[in-house]
Amino acid sequence: GQNIDQPTEMTATEGAIVQINCTYQTSGFNGLFWYQQHAGEAPTFLSYNVLDGLEEKGRFSSFLSRSKGYSYLLLKELQMKDSASYLCAVRDRNYQLIWGAGTKLIIKP
Amino acid sequence: ETGVTQTPRHLVMGMTNKKSLKCEQHLGHNAMYWYKQSAKKPLELMFVYSLEERVENNSVPSRFSPECPNSSHLFLHLHTLQPEDSALYLCASSQGLADSYEQYFGPGTRLTVT
Repeated sequence: GQNIDQPTEMTATEGAIVQINCTYQTSGFNGLFWYQQHAGEAPTFLSYNVLDGLEEKGRFSSFLSRSKGYSYLLLKELQMKDSASYLCAVRDRNYQLIWGAGTKLIIKP
Repeated sequence: ETGVTQTPRHLVMGMTNKKSLKCEQHLGHNAMYWYKQSAKKPLELMFVYSLEERVENNSVPSRFSPECPNSSHLFLHLHTLQPEDSALYLCASSQGLADSYEQYFGPGTRLTVT
C-alpha cells in the first residue's frame, strides 16, 4: 500500500528553527508538496519538490531525497502565526496525490 | 482568500435528508476535486474532474454524487448519509492534472450527520 508518515505534533519556540519530516512509500513518484493549514481554514500551498535537494523560499525551505523516500520542511525564525498543521503529499505514478495526516506545529512564546 | 469558495460553510443534516454542497472557483482552472478531511486522518480524495469530465472516483459510496456542470462549478449531492460521514469536505482546483500544478483549496463545509 501507499503510505506517508509525519509526526503527529511538534512544539517549538518563537524565533527558533523547526524541521518537520515526511517519509513516503508510494507506487512511483511525480513530486512532493507541502501545504500549511491553519485551524478551521483551507490548506494553502507552500512548496513543491521533484528533484533532490533544497528549495528555499523565504523563511521556509523544503528538502527532498528520492532515494531515501524522505523530505523535510524547515521553518526558520518561527513566528506565532506559524502555528498550524503542515501536510505532506506525494504525487504517485498515476498522478494521484497521496496525503499524510499532517503535523500540528505549536509555537510557544 | 484562495479564489475557491464553498457553500454552505456548516451543515447539519439528518440521515434521511438530501442536501448539496457547492464549490466555485474563480481562477480559470481546468481541474476540480472533492476531498473528505476527518480529524487526524489524511485527506481522502473523493472525486476528480478535468475539463468537466470525471477522471477519478476512489470507491466512494453512492450516497455521494458529484456534478460538474462547467469548469467553474462543482457540486456534491448528499443523500441518506451515515454519522461516520461527518467531516470537513474540501473542494480544490488546479490549473491541470500535471505534476507540478498545486491545488487551491476552498474553506470547506463542516458537515454533521445526526
